[in-house]
Amino acid sequence: GDSVTQMEGPVTLSEEAFLTINCTYTATGYPSLFWYVQYPGEGLQLLLKATKADDKGSNKGFEATYRKETTSFHLEKGSVQVSDSAVYFCALSGGTGFQKLVFGTGTRLLVSP
Amino acid sequence: GAVVSQHPSRVICKSGTSVKIECRSLDFQATTMFWYRQFPKQSLMLMATSNEGSKATYEQGVEKDKFLINHASLTLSTLTVTSAHPEDSSFYICSASDGQSYGYTFGSGTRLTVV
Repeated sequence: GDSVTQMEGPVTLSEEAFLTINCTYTATGYPSLFWYVQYPGEGLQLLLKATKADDKGSNKGFEATYRKETTSFHLEKGSVQVSDSAVYFCALSGGTGFQKLVFGTGTRLLVSP
Repeated sequence: GAVVSQHPSRVICKSGTSVKIECRSLDFQATTMFWYRQFPKQSLMLMATSNEGSKATYEQGVEKDKFLINHASLTLSTLTVTSAHPEDSSFYICSASDGQSYGYTFGSGTRLTVV
């Protein structure tokens, strides 16, 4: 079945450092790909998404490109802030329409001043 | 934008009692609701998917008699944990979709503690 693999955390960075969180997927067909962010004690917020190959999703300085050839959707940000500290989940939705989301295990990001 | 309201945010109940969690879509019609469970420092596990007016579809290993899901209207879905036990303590999150423009919108989650 469909699956998502993302790097283990925590990822610890200093403020203004460059961030990469790796995400790869296995799916049949052409899934949509998502990054969600979860702050402590809260639900998930959509950070960005891409629905077809070579699409780039971007939001709040974060971006990720849908790479079909490498089945990847790595999350990047050029300069992280303390407020970016959270857990980041990569997810996919397979098939047509809005099917269930399959999540990766999440990566905790800790940014220090 | 799309908003999903989930209540309560926290609940503590005694072992053997039942707890109901509500999830409401405030500004769109949620044709499909997803209920997830999240263990500490782990990913989200899909428990069930429900379409308005239909019976929920449970994932393998999820007890349908223990976790009752009702999706009677396009704006409200409920999850009832029946005869709760300490091992049911967890963070429960709902997600709603109108199958069109809004995509997936998540509630803020419910922290259930069974004592």
